[in-house]
Amino acid sequence: DGGITQSPKYLFRKEGQNVTLSCEQNLNHDAMYWYRQDPGQGLRLIYYSQIVNDFQKGDIAEGYSVSREKKESFPLTVTSAQKNPTAFYLCASSIPLAAGELFFGEGSRLTVL
Amino acid sequence: SQKIEQNSEALNIQEGKTATLTCNYTNYSPAYLQWYRQDPGRGPVFLLLIRENEKEKRKERLKVTFDTTLKQSLFHITASQPADSATYLCALGGYSTLTFGKGTMLLVSP
Repeated sequence: DGGITQSPKYLFRKEGQNVTLSCEQNLNHDAMYWYRQDPGQGLRLIYYSQIVNDFQKGDIAEGYSVSREKKESFPLTVTSAQKNPTAFYLCASSIPLAAGELFFGEGSRLTVL
Repeated sequence: SQKIEQNSEALNIQEGKTATLTCNYTNYSPAYLQWYRQDPGRGPVFLLLIRENEKEKRKERLKVTFDTTLKQSLFHITASQPADSATYLCALGGYSTLTFGKGTMLLVSP
Protein backbone atom coordinates (compact mmCIF):
# COMPACT_ATOMS: atom_id res chain seq x y z
CA ASP A 1 0.00 0.00 0.00
CA GLY A 2 1.24 3.49 -0.84
CA GLY A 3 1.44 5.99 1.96
CA ILE A 4 3.46 7.89 4.51
CA THR A 5 4.99 6.26 7.54
CA GLN A 6 6.01 8.25 10.58
CA SER A 7 7.94 6.79 13.48
CA PRO A 8 7.94 6.60 16.38
CA LYS A 9 4.28 7.24 17.16
CA TYR A 10 5.10 8.25 20.74
CA LEU A 11 8.41 9.60 21.97
CA PHE A 12 9.60 10.87 25.32
CA ARG A 13 12.69 12.97 25.70
CA LYS A 14 14.52 14.67 28.49
CA GLU A 15 15.24 18.37 28.30
CA GLY A 16 18.49 19.12 26.50
CA GLN A 17 18.34 16.08 24.22
CA ASN A 18 17.99 16.14 20.46
CA VAL A 19 15.48 13.75 18.91
CA THR A 20 14.89 12.74 15.29
CA LEU A 21 11.46 11.91 13.88
CA SER A 22 11.33 9.69 10.84
CA CYS A 23 9.12 10.23 7.79
CA GLU A 24 9.13 7.89 4.78
CA GLN A 25 6.82 7.94 1.73
CA ASN A 26 6.40 5.53 -1.17
CA LEU A 27 4.02 7.72 -3.16
CA ASN A 28 6.78 9.02 -5.45
CA HIS A 29 5.96 12.58 -4.38
CA ASP A 30 8.53 15.31 -4.88
CA ALA A 31 7.32 17.58 -2.08
CA MET A 32 7.39 16.80 1.63
CA TYR A 33 6.41 18.85 4.67
CA TRP A 34 6.62 18.92 8.45
CA TYR A 35 3.87 20.51 10.51
CA ARG A 36 3.46 20.93 14.23
CA GLN A 37 0.04 20.83 15.94
CA ASP A 38 -0.66 22.03 19.48
CA PRO A 39 -4.00 21.75 21.31
CA GLY A 40 -6.40 24.40 20.04
CA GLN A 41 -3.95 25.46 17.36
CA GLY A 42 -3.92 24.90 13.67
CA LEU A 43 -1.14 23.10 11.85
CA ARG A 44 1.97 25.27 11.67
CA LEU A 45 4.59 24.68 8.99
CA ILE A 46 8.10 23.90 10.23
CA TYR A 47 10.03 22.97 7.06
CA TYR A 48 9.23 21.86 3.55
CA SER A 49 11.13 20.40 0.65
CA GLN A 50 10.08 20.49 -2.99
CA ILE A 51 12.95 18.42 -4.31
CA VAL A 52 15.81 16.23 -3.11
CA ASN A 53 18.72 18.12 -1.52
CA ASP A 54 16.68 21.29 -1.14
CA PHE A 55 14.43 22.52 1.67
CA GLN A 56 12.97 25.78 2.97
CA LYS A 57 12.05 27.11 6.39
CA GLY A 58 8.41 27.39 7.25
CA ASP A 59 6.81 29.69 9.80
CA ILE A 60 8.34 28.10 12.92
CA ALA A 61 11.71 26.62 11.89
CA GLU A 62 13.71 27.81 14.89
CA GLY A 63 14.99 24.89 16.96
CA TYR A 64 14.39 22.34 14.19
CA SER A 65 16.53 20.90 11.39
CA VAL A 66 15.80 18.65 8.40
CA SER A 67 17.57 16.82 5.58
CA ARG A 68 16.36 15.53 2.21
CA GLU A 69 18.99 13.17 0.89
CA LYS A 70 16.47 10.78 -0.68
CA LYS A 71 13.14 11.42 -2.35
CA GLU A 72 11.41 9.00 0.00
CA SER A 73 12.73 10.36 3.29
CA PHE A 74 12.44 13.67 5.16
CA PRO A 75 13.58 13.30 8.79
CA LEU A 76 13.01 16.09 11.32
CA THR A 77 15.39 16.74 14.21
CA VAL A 78 14.01 18.56 17.23
CA THR A 79 17.03 20.15 18.84
CA SER A 80 17.60 21.27 22.39
CA ALA A 81 17.26 24.83 21.12
CA GLN A 82 13.51 24.32 20.60
CA LYS A 83 12.02 25.94 23.68
CA ASN A 84 8.67 24.18 23.73
CA PRO A 85 9.02 20.91 21.81
CA THR A 86 6.11 18.95 23.33
CA ALA A 87 3.62 18.66 20.45
CA PHE A 88 2.05 16.45 17.78
CA TYR A 89 4.23 16.37 14.67
CA LEU A 90 2.78 15.62 11.25
CA CYS A 91 4.65 14.79 8.07
CA ALA A 92 2.99 15.12 4.66
CA SER A 93 3.82 14.75 0.99
CA SER A 94 2.29 15.93 -2.27
CA ILE A 95 2.58 16.35 -6.01
CA PRO A 96 2.59 20.06 -6.92
CA LEU A 97 0.03 21.47 -4.48
CA ALA A 98 -2.18 23.35 -6.90
CA ALA A 99 -2.91 20.04 -8.61
CA GLY A 100 -3.75 18.04 -5.54
CA GLU A 101 -3.69 17.53 -1.84
CA LEU A 102 -1.42 16.74 1.07
CA PHE A 103 -1.13 13.13 2.16
CA PHE A 104 -0.42 12.99 5.89
CA GLY A 105 1.20 10.39 8.07
CA GLU A 106 -0.33 9.28 11.36
CA GLY A 107 1.80 11.68 13.37
CA SER A 108 4.41 11.47 16.11
CA ARG A 109 3.62 12.71 19.60
CA LEU A 110 6.70 14.07 21.35
CA THR A 111 6.67 14.71 25.09
CA VAL A 112 9.55 16.42 26.85
CA LEU A 113 9.87 15.34 30.47
CA SER B 1 -0.67 39.44 8.69
CA GLN B 2 -2.55 36.53 7.13
CA LYS B 3 -5.39 35.22 9.23
CA ILE B 4 -7.72 32.24 8.81
CA GLU B 5 -10.76 31.98 11.05
CA GLN B 6 -12.83 28.91 11.71
CA ASN B 7 -15.45 28.65 14.46
CA SER B 8 -13.63 27.63 17.61
CA GLU B 9 -16.81 26.36 19.24
CA ALA B 10 -17.94 22.86 18.39
CA LEU B 11 -20.94 22.52 16.11
CA ASN B 12 -23.55 20.12 17.46
CA ILE B 13 -26.25 18.84 15.09
CA GLN B 14 -28.73 16.04 14.85
CA GLU B 15 -28.26 13.11 12.52
CA GLY B 16 -29.83 13.71 9.13
CA LYS B 17 -29.42 17.49 9.24
CA THR B 18 -27.03 19.55 7.12
CA ALA B 19 -23.86 20.74 8.83
CA THR B 20 -22.37 24.02 7.62
CA LEU B 21 -18.86 25.03 8.59
CA THR B 22 -17.30 28.42 7.86
CA CYS B 23 -13.80 29.48 6.92
CA ASN B 24 -13.03 33.20 6.71
CA TYR B 25 -9.69 34.71 5.81
CA THR B 26 -8.02 38.12 5.67
CA ASN B 27 -4.86 39.54 4.11
CA TYR B 28 -4.67 36.60 1.74
CA SER B 29 -5.45 35.90 -1.92
CA PRO B 30 -5.31 32.11 -2.18
CA ALA B 31 -5.21 30.42 -5.55
CA TYR B 32 -7.21 27.52 -4.08
CA LEU B 33 -8.68 26.28 -0.84
CA GLN B 34 -8.81 22.77 0.59
CA TRP B 35 -10.82 21.07 3.33
CA TYR B 36 -9.52 18.23 5.49
CA ARG B 37 -11.02 15.95 8.12
CA GLN B 38 -9.04 15.08 11.23
CA ASP B 39 -9.94 12.45 13.80
CA PRO B 40 -8.41 12.56 17.32
CA GLY B 41 -4.77 11.48 17.33
CA ARG B 42 -4.70 10.97 13.56
CA GLY B 43 -3.32 12.84 10.58
CA PRO B 44 -5.72 14.98 8.50
CA VAL B 45 -7.37 13.43 5.46
CA PHE B 46 -8.09 15.44 2.31
CA LEU B 47 -11.72 15.98 1.36
CA LEU B 48 -12.11 18.65 -1.33
CA LEU B 49 -10.16 21.26 -3.29
CA ILE B 50 -11.74 24.34 -4.86
CA ARG B 51 -9.91 26.87 -7.01
CA GLU B 52 -10.33 30.66 -7.00
CA ASN B 53 -12.25 30.62 -10.28
CA GLU B 54 -14.72 28.00 -9.03
CA LYS B 55 -17.82 28.92 -7.05
CA GLU B 56 -18.88 25.48 -5.87
CA LYS B 57 -17.60 21.90 -5.72
CA ARG B 58 -19.47 18.74 -4.75
CA LYS B 59 -18.44 15.23 -3.78
CA GLU B 60 -21.10 12.82 -2.63
CA ARG B 61 -22.65 14.41 0.53
CA LEU B 62 -20.06 17.19 0.65
CA LYS B 63 -20.31 20.65 -0.89
CA VAL B 64 -17.83 23.50 -0.75
CA THR B 65 -18.35 27.10 -1.85
CA PHE B 66 -15.63 29.71 -2.32
CA ASP B 67 -16.42 33.43 -2.40
CA THR B 68 -13.24 35.42 -3.05
CA THR B 69 -15.12 38.71 -2.67
CA LEU B 70 -16.36 37.84 0.83
CA LYS B 71 -13.10 35.96 1.50
CA GLN B 72 -15.09 33.02 2.75
CA SER B 73 -15.58 29.32 2.14
CA LEU B 74 -18.54 27.30 3.36
CA PHE B 75 -18.34 23.54 3.83
CA HIS B 76 -21.60 21.58 3.90
CA ILE B 77 -22.27 17.98 4.87
CA THR B 78 -25.79 16.91 3.94
CA ALA B 79 -27.66 14.06 5.62
CA SER B 80 -25.06 14.08 8.38
CA GLN B 81 -24.21 10.87 10.26
CA PRO B 82 -22.55 10.23 13.65
CA ALA B 83 -19.54 8.92 11.67
CA ASP B 84 -19.09 12.48 10.32
CA SER B 85 -18.11 13.62 13.82
CA ALA B 86 -14.55 14.96 13.57
CA THR B 87 -12.58 18.19 13.32
CA TYR B 88 -12.66 19.87 9.91
CA LEU B 89 -9.76 22.03 8.79
CA CYS B 90 -9.69 24.54 5.98
CA ALA B 91 -6.39 25.33 4.30
CA LEU B 92 -5.48 28.14 1.93
CA GLY B 93 -3.14 27.40 -0.92
CA GLY B 94 -0.14 29.39 -1.96
CA TYR B 95 2.45 28.51 -4.59
CA SER B 96 4.10 25.74 -2.64
CA THR B 97 2.58 25.58 0.83
CA LEU B 98 -0.76 25.37 2.60
CA THR B 99 -1.77 27.52 5.57
CA PHE B 100 -4.27 25.85 7.89
CA GLY B 101 -7.02 27.20 10.09
CA LYS B 102 -7.46 25.88 13.63
CA GLY B 103 -10.40 23.71 12.66
CA THR B 104 -13.98 23.30 13.81
CA MET B 105 -15.16 20.23 15.68
CA LEU B 106 -18.41 18.74 14.40
CA LEU B 107 -20.49 16.48 16.66
CA VAL B 108 -23.39 14.62 15.08
CA SER B 109 -25.73 13.00 17.56
CA PRO B 110 -28.04 10.07 16.71
